[in-house]
Parts: sequence; structure tokens; C-alpha cells
Amino acid sequence: EDKVVQSPLSLVVHEGDTVTLNCSYEVTNFRSLLWYKQEKKAPTFLFMLTSSGIEKKSGRLSSILDKKELFSILNITATQTGDSAVYLCAVKLTFGTGTRLQVTL
Amino acid sequence: GAGVSQSPSNKVTEKGKDVELRCDPISGHTALYWYRQSLGQGLEFLIYFQGNSAPDKSGLPSDRFSAERTGGSVSTLTIQRTQQEDSAVYLCASSLGFGTGGYEQYFGPGTRLTVT
Repeated sequence: EDKVVQSPLSLVVHEGDTVTLNCSYEVTNFRSLLWYKQEKKAPTFLFMLTSSGIEKKSGRLSSILDKKELFSILNITATQTGDSAVYLCAVKLTFGTGTRLQVTL
Repeated sequence: GAGVSQSPSNKVTEKGKDVELRCDPISGHTALYWYRQSLGQGLEFLIYFQGNSAPDKSGLPSDRFSAERTGGSVSTLTIQRTQQEDSAVYLCASSLGFGTGGYEQYFGPGTRLTVT
């Protein structure tokens, strides 16, 4: 059975802090790992990672995959209140339970 | 279309009744997915379609759940004889190709189903 585990489950930080969200997985026939941001209802796509060690970056968000150790991290620097959301990690059709991030003033 | 749309946005039904949830994917997307998200939980995969066929129905929780897709476009998820544990947000997503190979999924706003 495919498994995706995210940590921490929730996180509260102050605006301007840097956060690291973790995603580990155990799946057969790994092809890619995807990160999504879910604010109200519909998750929105952030990154897709297929190769180990290559960082994907978009503004203050970045992500990297380690295929040997079977995990990925999502970094958010200089957090803003608009970053408050649930961040979901997915491999194949299996999603983790997400990390709920709250950024306070 | 501009994005994935779902209807209705909210549905309240009595236990034992049947419900139909609809999903309109992005035009040209061949793959379509249904997920369920209970309060505070992650997304639970239900079923996916490649074109009109559903190669993997393993995620459907019971035989009360069924789904179809016609014309490679619109899909309906039907829940028969609804139970209170069916209450959840049902999310639909579509992708240009089949997702496990690495296509990003575009999600609809979901249908919130409440079974009383």
C-alpha cells in the first residue's frame, strides 16, 4: 500500500519566519512527487519533482526531492499571512494529510 | 473551460437517499479524478478516468459508490442509499494526461455533501 506522511501536522509562525515542511513516502513505481496549497477548498499546484537533488523554486517557495531517502521538503522563506494554508504532498494518487500552516502578524 | 467546475456546491440529503455529483473538467484534459476529503483529513482517492474508462476503481469505499464519464468530458459520481459517514467534501480534478506519471492536477471547488 502506498504511503505519504507529512510533518508537522500543524505549525504556527510569525510573519517573516522561514518554515520547512516535510513529506516522506513509500510507494511502488515512483515517478514524481507533487506539492499543493489548499486555502479554502480547491488545492492549487505548487511544484512537481521528478529528479533527486534538483531544487524547484518559485518566489519565496522552494522544494527539493531526495529519492534515495524517499522524502521531500518544501521551504517558505519570509512567510506572509497569505501563506496560511494547508500544504499537501502527493505521490501517484496518494495524498498526505497535509501540514496546516498559520502565519501570524 | 476556464477551470474545473463542480455542481452542486453544497448538497444536504437525508440518509438513505441517492445523490449525484457532477464534474466538468478543463477542456482537453483526458484524465479525471474524484477524491473525498472529510473534515480535517487529507484527500482520499476514489476513482480516476482515462478518457471514458476507469482503470482503477479500488478507492471506491463501497458498492454504493459509482462513477461514470461520458464523451471524455463530464463525470458524475453517484452515491446510493447515502449514510452519515458519506458526509464530506467531494473534489474533482483533471489533468492533461494520466496523473501518476507526473501530470499536475487542477482541482474544482468541490461539493460539500451533508447527510442528515
